[in-house]
Amino acid sequence: DAGVIQSPRHEVTEMGQEVTLRCKPISGHNSLFWYRQTMMRGLELLIYFNNNVPIDDSGMPEDRFSAKMPNASFSTLKIQPSEPRDSAVYFCASSLAGLASDTQYFGPGTRLTVL
Amino acid sequence: DAKTTQPNSMESNEEEPVHLPCNHSTISGTDYIHWYRQLPSQGPEYVIHGLTSNVNNRMASLAIAEDRKSSTLILHRATLRDAAVYYCILRDRGRDDKIIFGKGTRLHILP
Repeated sequence: DAGVIQSPRHEVTEMGQEVTLRCKPISGHNSLFWYRQTMMRGLELLIYFNNNVPIDDSGMPEDRFSAKMPNASFSTLKIQPSEPRDSAVYFCASSLAGLASDTQYFGPGTRLTVL
Repeated sequence: DAKTTQPNSMESNEEEPVHLPCNHSTISGTDYIHWYRQLPSQGPEYVIHGLTSNVNNRMASLAIAEDRKSSTLILHRATLRDAAVYYCILRDRGRDDKIIFGKGTRLHILP
């Protein structure tokens, strides 16, 4: 199994540009999670989906952030317009059934730098 | 959400056992105790979880106090590759699948 796949691995962009991060969860997993990690705030949950439906987006920082999951094998996190304070590592994770006992499997992350 | 308290950092010598403590005095009866770790420049990875009884797997052991107000992650023979941030997390089995990460314990392994 390839695990959770994220692309790109690194993204450098200028303030004001649109950024799209992509995630392919593990096949057969029904829950998908987006996290952001910074030195100041640690690992934060942004949003998660169950069966392609957003369940909790209370962690999304503001309207500039949006996430979609058009099908079970693909999700995007979009930032428009991007700002320097969005610079962080963004992780995608998936789990089997959305239960508290389930293991979450994390991707390698996308390191975003907004200049 | 029930909170956990972990030391900010710990050191251990290579090839010796490591005991990573976690306090969770406000744990509820439906909370699982999970441990994840994050190696440098990688995403977090699952280590182990338990509810009431001690648990063993190929990576580690989890010792849970009888009153469940604390637990200890045990690495039986630490290697340099075990240097990571270790997160102790409570997850309520009666609720949804969210993981709320704290600051964790940064484990340094000395050669």
